[in-house]
Amino acid sequence: QKEVEQDPGPLSVPEGAIVSLNCTYSNSAFQYFMWYRQYSRKGPELLMYTYSSGNKEDGRFTAQVDKSSKYISLFIRDSQPSDSATYLCAMSSGSSGDKLTFGTGTRLAVRP
Amino acid sequence: SAVISQKPSRDICQRGTSLTIQCQVDSQVTMMFWYRQQPGQSLTLIATANQGSEATYESGFVIDKFPISRPNLTFSTLTVSNMSPEDSSIYLCSVEEKGYGDFGPGTRLLVL
Repeated sequence: QKEVEQDPGPLSVPEGAIVSLNCTYSNSAFQYFMWYRQYSRKGPELLMYTYSSGNKEDGRFTAQVDKSSKYISLFIRDSQPSDSATYLCAMSSGSSGDKLTFGTGTRLAVRP
Repeated sequence: SAVISQKPSRDICQRGTSLTIQCQVDSQVTMMFWYRQQPGQSLTLIATANQGSEATYESGFVIDKFPISRPNLTFSTLTVSNMSPEDSSIYLCSVEEKGYGDFGPGTRLLVL
């Protein structure tokens, strides 16, 4: 079993739809949870960053962490064609020297 | 967040040759990380580079194939040695401060 599981997609939605992206994990030591957006031929860009359980909202994006279920989500409201990208979840324990563990990424296409 | 630049942005190389990738950060950081992202795949950590000490390599990666230098707190290089077509990937450097990672734009390598 992988430490982090993420549905690779691809996920295709019409413009304006609400998108839900999810990851599950097995390591209970993870405390920091991130979502990255990666456009084609670009490096990953940090989109959302949360610590421990709870919700965090930034514009059209909401990140949720449920540590009891070892489950994290990213919601995109009013999706736009410019949201078309690969979304990677990542997590770490935050301990000194600990590395990030990534999901495999979900490819999202938002149709005009 | 840190601003990271990489050189070259892309290259096409012949098998058996070597390529050195440079990574420059706009601030002093303790650890720098090198990742590989093969086509359609997520990020795989190659090694962690600390200034003043030998790099720490992940399982499946060795120093002879991927030698790393870390001469100061803002700069690192990764060399891909004796390249084969299987080395065709995007190579990304990253710094991790405050629990999350910032990535460079990546170096896209094609080995013929």
